[in-house]
Amino acid sequence: ETGVTQSPTHLIKTRGQQVTLRCSSQSGHNTVSWYQQALGQGPQFIFQYYREEENGRGNFPPRFSGLQFPNYSSELNVNALELDDSALYLCASSLESDAETQYFGPGTRLLVL
Amino acid sequence: GQSLEQPSEVTAVEGAIVQINCTYQTSGFYGLSWYQQHDGGAPTFLSYNALDGLEETGRFSSFLSRSDSYGYLLLQELQMKDSASYFCAVRGAGYALNFGKGTSLLVTP
Repeated sequence: ETGVTQSPTHLIKTRGQQVTLRCSSQSGHNTVSWYQQALGQGPQFIFQYYREEENGRGNFPPRFSGLQFPNYSSELNVNALELDDSALYLCASSLESDAETQYFGPGTRLLVL
Repeated sequence: GQSLEQPSEVTAVEGAIVQINCTYQTSGFYGLSWYQQHDGGAPTFLSYNALDGLEETGRFSSFLSRSDSYGYLLLQELQMKDSASYFCAVRGAGYALNFGKGTSLLVTP
């Protein structure tokens, strides 16, 4: 059974640029959620995808967008990067029937300069 | 909205027992989850309580009181490797989880 993987592991961008982060869900999981985790804080929910449709969104502006593909892999896109976007970005996959048990990837650490 | 409160830091001695509390305010409660995160690592699922009472999984137990909007994670026979951050979480919109700010547990020799 393959776990959740994310790429890249680290990324440095400058303010105003755009970034795409990728996630490959655990085999058989049809739901993927993206979280932003600032240093010393808990993960903050960005949005969730279920069967390629957005299924809920947290308090993040529209410049945060996502996609889920038929093979359940996923992307997080952030446009017009701001300094405060510097954080660890986590994706988590789960089964629709077991939403409380989410399997997290190792995350992508984004630094915006 | 939703809010979760948990202590920011807890220190305990190896071999001891420690309890990490979590109080929550939420509409539409499904249950309380607990996750562990080591420095630089991903959160990993520990336990989930949907009903009142105690759930035991090895050295870890989790308790829920829905009437008090309160739960706790109990770690027994503490080991150095238990030093990590522990998060309580409740389900929000859709199937998303809303996490507390986390409790940093330091286990000392």
